[in-house]
Amino acid sequence: EAGVAQSPRYKIIEKRQSVAFWCNPISGHATLYWYQQILGQGPKLLIQFQNNGVVDDSQLPKDRFSAERLKGVDSTLKIQPAKLEDSAVYLCASSYGTDTQYFGPGTRLTVL
Amino acid sequence: GQQLNQSPQSMFIQEGEDVSMNCTSSSIFNTWLWYKQEPGEGPVLLIALYKAGELTSNGRLTAQFGITRKDSFLNISASIPSDVGIYFCAGQLVGSQGNLIFGKGTKLSVKP
Repeated sequence: EAGVAQSPRYKIIEKRQSVAFWCNPISGHATLYWYQQILGQGPKLLIQFQNNGVVDDSQLPKDRFSAERLKGVDSTLKIQPAKLEDSAVYLCASSYGTDTQYFGPGTRLTVL
Repeated sequence: GQQLNQSPQSMFIQEGEDVSMNCTSSSIFNTWLWYKQEPGEGPVLLIALYKAGELTSNGRLTAQFGITRKDSFLNISASIPSDVGIYFCAGQLVGSQGNLIFGKGTKLSVKP
């Protein structure tokens, strides 16, 4: 069974630029999560989707971050404009319901 | 937001030694999970705990869900070099819809 796929694996941008990350969850998993992991910290949930609906986006900085999951499968996370403090690893995870979450390898973002 | 207090922050041990780490919280959780993360990868689930008092093993790893539902520990017996990595505890609060709250991690180094 294929795992959670993410791309790109690495991205370097300058502050105020835009960036987008892509995630393809495990087949059949209805729930998709985006986490932000700052160096030396545990992952922090940004947004949770159930199919194509948002379940929890309470910790998403909505002035600059947006996410969508239009057909209930793939998802994109966008940052516009990026700030220095957005440098982090962005992890996507999926689960069948609200049980065990399986994580992708992450996208490491560096904002200069 | 909610926090998990994970300790120790780092450990340097000799191959063959046993390891113990724990997580505590002021909140009650209905699920405790232990993940391992290696450089450049996403967290990988090691053990999941769903009931207070539950003791579960996975090879050389043993974890327990505290009776108060506010803590959990992970033990690794007879450590080997490939145990190196960062271990995270994560919990789901009572009433949450799958949102995981992570500790800050325990970085394990094993000297051959």
